Amino acid sequence: SQKIEQNSEALNIQEGKTATLTCNYTNYSPAYLQWYRQDPGRGPVFLLLIRENEKEKRKERLKVTFDTTLKQSLFHITASQPADSATYLCALDPSGGSYIPTFGRGTSLIVHP
Amino acid sequence: DVKVTQSSRYLVKRTGEKVFLECVQDMDHENMFWYRQDPGLGLRLIYFSYDVKMKEKGDIPEGYSVSREKKERFSLILESASTNQTSMYLCASTAGAIEGQGNPYEQYFGPGTRLTVT
Repeated sequence: SQKIEQNSEALNIQEGKTATLTCNYTNYSPAYLQWYRQDPGRGPVFLLLIRENEKEKRKERLKVTFDTTLKQSLFHITASQPADSATYLCALDPSGGSYIPTFGRGTSLIVHP
Repeated sequence: DVKVTQSSRYLVKRTGEKVFLECVQDMDHENMFWYRQDPGLGLRLIYFSYDVKMKEKGDIPEGYSVSREKKERFSLILESASTNQTSMYLCASTAGAIEGQGNPYEQYFGPGTRLTVT
């Protein structure tokens, strides 16, 4: 069955360091992969989308990589700040235009001042 | 900015009650979705709709129904609430796939309704 894995343990890092979150998947061939941020008690907010033929995408301090051979996406936040503390969800979209993503369970990031 | 609103942030209902959760989006989006989110289980799709009066079952439709009488409004109905339906309910919308209408993959979420059934 299709499976999306994100580290269930919280990632704790010091302010200013680069945070790297991982999204692995099995039995899936996504055409698109998205990353969302979710603050406690709030709905997720879209951050970035990367296509299967793109290796890397950047937006300000954010960088996403997508390796379809390894079936993995890495999400990096450079120069992290305490305000970056949140849960980050990856979401995979299949090809075929259904536009219905499957979400991972998310990884909590805690940035310490 | 797309805005998705949900009728209540917090709701407490009794077992057996009929519960209505309302969601409204203001960007003329074609597609609307209802999810529930539980600790350790992540986001699970209950129902979605591609158009007015259209609905499709998601992964966990049992015990729920939906209504989409107007394009901007998507309602989730719990016919007879049960304690195992205590959860965070999230509504989302996306643009249609027609070029120029926006990114059809980007989901815009509402703030969520924390429902407790006692």
